[in-house]
Amino acid sequence: GAVVSQHPSWVICKSGTSVKIECRSLDFQATTMFWYRQFPKQSLMLMATSNEGSKATYEQGVEKDKFLINHASLTLSTLTVTSAHPEDSSFYICSARPRVAGTQYFGPGTRLLVL
Amino acid sequence: ILNVEQSPQSLHVQEGDSTNFTCSFPSSNFYALHWYRWETAKSPEALFVMTLNGDEKKKGRISATLNTKEGYSYLYIKGSQPEDSATYLCAFAGGTSYGKLTFGQGTILTVHP
Repeated sequence: GAVVSQHPSWVICKSGTSVKIECRSLDFQATTMFWYRQFPKQSLMLMATSNEGSKATYEQGVEKDKFLINHASLTLSTLTVTSAHPEDSSFYICSARPRVAGTQYFGPGTRLLVL
Repeated sequence: ILNVEQSPQSLHVQEGDSTNFTCSFPSSNFYALHWYRWETAKSPEALFVMTLNGDEKKKGRISATLNTKEGYSYLYIKGSQPEDSATYLCAFAGGTSYGKLTFGQGTILTVHP
């Protein structure tokens, strides 16, 4: 149980385009989903927290207009990287949490390369 | 900014060896310490959630201890096997927002047959 899928697993896009990443909890309902980013040789850094039906809370330094998060249902959250630039190239990974302050279950991640 | 440190960064052991690594975290405003195992191209897998000082948890050949007063946790693997090769992450929950996780950089374990 507690499986989270993420799609796509990798994406290459041109600078200026937008990219949408989906995160789904397959066998549980997630009251909260999280989006992280990992640059090479660094730790997972939390970008934003989203609760179903409400606006996401972004961490300091993360542009909310650049990284649009939608959590429309208890099993789906999406991250859209708008007008992507090469510096947005990174590994993006989501997690889902079935209850407050419990274990977070992670997707396999999405590697984004912006040319 | 919360500081979560893991050591060593990487570790190579022979099959059958026992090994351990460390996670250090802030000793104040502690809520929980999570351990994950992350194999290449897979999702990080939750191993343990530890909340009480002195906690010791075990899952097969893997165990973990927690010292919240001094701010560290140890992860032990007994009789390492090649399939234990992975990155082991710890994550601290606490501070002003106990629902969020602050991750260490991970320890990359390679077990050689």
